[in-house]
Amino acid sequence: AAGVIQSPRHLIKEKRETATLKCYPIPRHDTVYWYQQGPGQDPQFLISFYEKMQSDKGSIPDRFSAQQFSDYHSELNMSSLELGDSALYFCASSQGLAGYTGELFFGEGSRLTVL
Amino acid sequence: AQKITQTQPGMFVQEKEAVTLDCTYDTSDPSYGLFWYKQPSSGEMIFLIYQGSYDQQNATEGRYSLNFQKARKSANLVISASQLGDSAMYFCAMREGANNAGKSTFGDGTTLTVKP
Repeated sequence: AAGVIQSPRHLIKEKRETATLKCYPIPRHDTVYWYQQGPGQDPQFLISFYEKMQSDKGSIPDRFSAQQFSDYHSELNMSSLELGDSALYFCASSQGLAGYTGELFFGEGSRLTVL
Repeated sequence: AQKITQTQPGMFVQEKEAVTLDCTYDTSDPSYGLFWYKQPSSGEMIFLIYQGSYDQQNATEGRYSLNFQKARKSANLVISASQLGDSAMYFCAMREGANNAGKSTFGDGTTLTVKP
């Protein structure tokens, strides 16, 4: 069965550069969630989109922006990268808003390293 | 205050034995869901089991069961008949509120090592 696809899987950038991560949800899933997991830390919720509109916002820095496109894929844009942005970035998807009961299907993550 | 607390940074278990990973949570909302995820060294996040706040029975999924004690606000994961492939980081997570879009709060995780 098709899963959540994230690209690139690995990305290396210099400080102050820009990076874009992409997420392709499971077909027919219209909701996308972004999480950031620093080294040795738990995942932290960044932002989510439902039907191309932002549905919730967490601890996403102002240097980051995200959007969901008409085909439901989402992109996380990160500018003025800092060393502390080095992390594993997860995308998850669900059919409709997951609420407090629905399963989120996670991608394998995009590992960003900022040098 | 920490919403999800996993007090065991690391746990060891002998192959074929059972192990319990602790998770306590803090919420004042009557509607919430509790989730356990497994994260192997490769990094992906694998859903294991779910328990809803209104569920009367403890959730079970194969070798995984959730010991849900609502009054004590605990949701411990029990893995029976441990296998070497169970060695991984395990996260407890919660979503609270009937209007929650799906945002989850994770605990700090427990690293489980299964010994042969």
